[in-house]
Amino acid sequence: DAGVTQSPTHLIKTRGQQVTLRCSPKSGHDTVSWYQQALGQGPQFIFQYYEEEERQRGNFPDRFSGHQFPNYSSELNVNALLLGDSALYLCASSSVPGETQYFGPGTRLLVL
Amino acid sequence: SQQGEEDPQALSIQEGENATMNCSYKTSINNLQWYRQNSGRGLVHLILIRSNEREKHSGRLRVTLDTSKKSSSLLITASRAADTASYFCATSGNTPLVFGKGTRLSVIA
Repeated sequence: DAGVTQSPTHLIKTRGQQVTLRCSPKSGHDTVSWYQQALGQGPQFIFQYYEEEERQRGNFPDRFSGHQFPNYSSELNVNALLLGDSALYLCASSSVPGETQYFGPGTRLLVL
Repeated sequence: SQQGEEDPQALSIQEGENATMNCSYKTSINNLQWYRQNSGRGLVHLILIRSNEREKHSGRLRVTLDTSKKSSSLLITASRAADTASYFCATSGNTPLVFGKGTRLSVIA
């Protein structure tokens, strides 16, 4: 049983560019959440998708957007990248929101 | 903003010793979860304790929850070098998981 997968593993971009990160949830899970983790900090909630809709959103600007597909996989898009967007981006899936989250290995984004 | 605050920020112990980490939070919760993270990789779920539970065990892990004090503790008994990692508490209430900054545990062989 494949767990949560994310791609790519690493990414380098320059300021102003746009990036798309991808996530496939654990089999049987229909809820996907995205988190940003800066170095030395805990994960910060970006948003959560369920039934292809954004259900909840954290304190992140509109530059951060997402999508969930019918197969429950998800994308995170970040426009107009800033240096401060450099972080580990984590995707997590669950069968029930608020219950145990299963995390992917993350995508490490470096913005130069 | 982060609700959970782990204490201590860093902990270094000898293999075989017990490690205790504490977590405080601010608002009411449905459950509290503990996660482990190795070297900036994905988080691994360790244990979930619900707001109506006071103590829970899983292998070498023991978690307590005191909702009146809005605090929780994670005890790892008979620690091993492989337990070296960052440990995070996360609270679940009306919003998805809110994580603290974590405790960095180093277990020295």
